[in-house]
Amino acid sequence: DGGITQSPKYLFRKEGQNVTLSCEQNLNHDAMYWYRQDPGQGLRLIYYSQIVNDFQKGDIAEGYSVSREKKESFPLTVTSAQKNPTAFYLCASSIQGFAGTQYFGPGTRLTVL
Amino acid sequence: GQQLNQSPQSMFIQEGEDVSMNCTSSSIFNTWLWYKQDPGEGPVLLIALYKAGELTSNGRLTAQFGITRKDSFLNISASIPSDVGIYFCAGQPGEYGNKLVFGAGTILRVKS
Repeated sequence: DGGITQSPKYLFRKEGQNVTLSCEQNLNHDAMYWYRQDPGQGLRLIYYSQIVNDFQKGDIAEGYSVSREKKESFPLTVTSAQKNPTAFYLCASSIQGFAGTQYFGPGTRLTVL
Repeated sequence: GQQLNQSPQSMFIQEGEDVSMNCTSSSIFNTWLWYKQDPGEGPVLLIALYKAGELTSNGRLTAQFGITRKDSFLNISASIPSDVGIYFCAGQPGEYGNKLVFGAGTILRVKS
């Protein structure tokens, strides 16, 4: 079955630690995205990548980093510089850049203690 | 930046009722998407609209791309308990390749 997987589903980390969230897709999509969701708010774009080895900052990139070494994978690192990292993180992909309809993974809930 | 106004913020449904929600913007959009999100899960695409005036159905769901390209609505007919959740609209602003903009969501709850 084609789809987007995110792991882990729940993640707990101590304040000051970096943590990496995994996102993998087998849809053969060129573009991948990371969003952050906070209660009662719409999705906010962190980073996006329209092609392998290239990525751009979204609206709230500070304190986050990404890499895109393979078409299928787009991991997100939440660094200690992110002031309020506790949130629900969603990965998405589309056939091509923003012109394409985006499909979402199941999400990772990160809690920083 | 671009903003989408989604309304209502929340609503209660009784089984069998029809439900309507909409999104509006002050800017023109090329694409309108409607997603549903269950608690703790990722949004699932319900309907995608690509052309002004387009009316598309998916089972009991019907969505329309407004003629002015500045709004879209989603209707759910004969609601059932599993319709509860959060519904998001998303749109791609007028310029090709622009980032998706999301509404804040409409929460559907069951009337007890």
